[in-house]
Amino acid sequence: DAKTTQPPSMDCAEGRAANLPCNHSTISGNEYVYWYRQIHSQGPQYIIHGLKNNETNEMASLIITEDRKSSTLILPHATLRDTAVYYCIVRVGGDYKLSFGAGTTVTVRA
Amino acid sequence: GAGVSQSPRYKVAKRGQDVALRCDPISGHVSLFWYQQALGQGPEFLTYFQNEAQLDKSGLPSDRFFAERPEGSVSTLKIQRTQQEDSAVYLCASSLAYGTAGTQYFGPGTRLLVL
Repeated sequence: DAKTTQPPSMDCAEGRAANLPCNHSTISGNEYVYWYRQIHSQGPQYIIHGLKNNETNEMASLIITEDRKSSTLILPHATLRDTAVYYCIVRVGGDYKLSFGAGTTVTVRA
Repeated sequence: GAGVSQSPRYKVAKRGQDVALRCDPISGHVSLFWYQQALGQGPEFLTYFQNEAQLDKSGLPSDRFFAERPEGSVSTLKIQRTQQEDSAVYLCASSLAYGTAGTQYFGPGTRLLVL
């Protein structure tokens, strides 16, 4: 059962903000939202995670709706190096497994 | 750098051969994970180690797959009598935390092609 739904692909202009949506309508109260990305021929890279509050780090911002049924990953100033597959994952705090879906293929264009 | 390293990066095997894939986790990381990634799909969990103990091997697809981490550091994923369906990228990840919600740091993967 897929816990998250993401668009299969999206394009973004270099220098602009990239907003990546994720639906997780069946999320439980103790499940976190994680984002990873995978650049071609590399392993997945952790970006950010959150429970219910919005989070920001040096890579991105995570906006979680009040009902927690969806979230948006924001890359504030996309660069060509941000071209990758982005995975939205919901994960119980005590669960060590990461369950990746198909992700969103983001292409940043000059 | 001090990231997770994997070797070899590429491996071509003839059907029926045995292969061994190595993972060097980040020094001091307690948890180690193996994932399998088929072409065009997201990674799928194979197995989990906490130090030298293999606590979960529920994702291993068959008894031809075997993983070990004898000294709680380097890990080896072995596939016996390889089949064409074993062709995939095998990813290793490590985490400082004991299992749970710690950030997993991934290596570059080993791309296995079985002919």
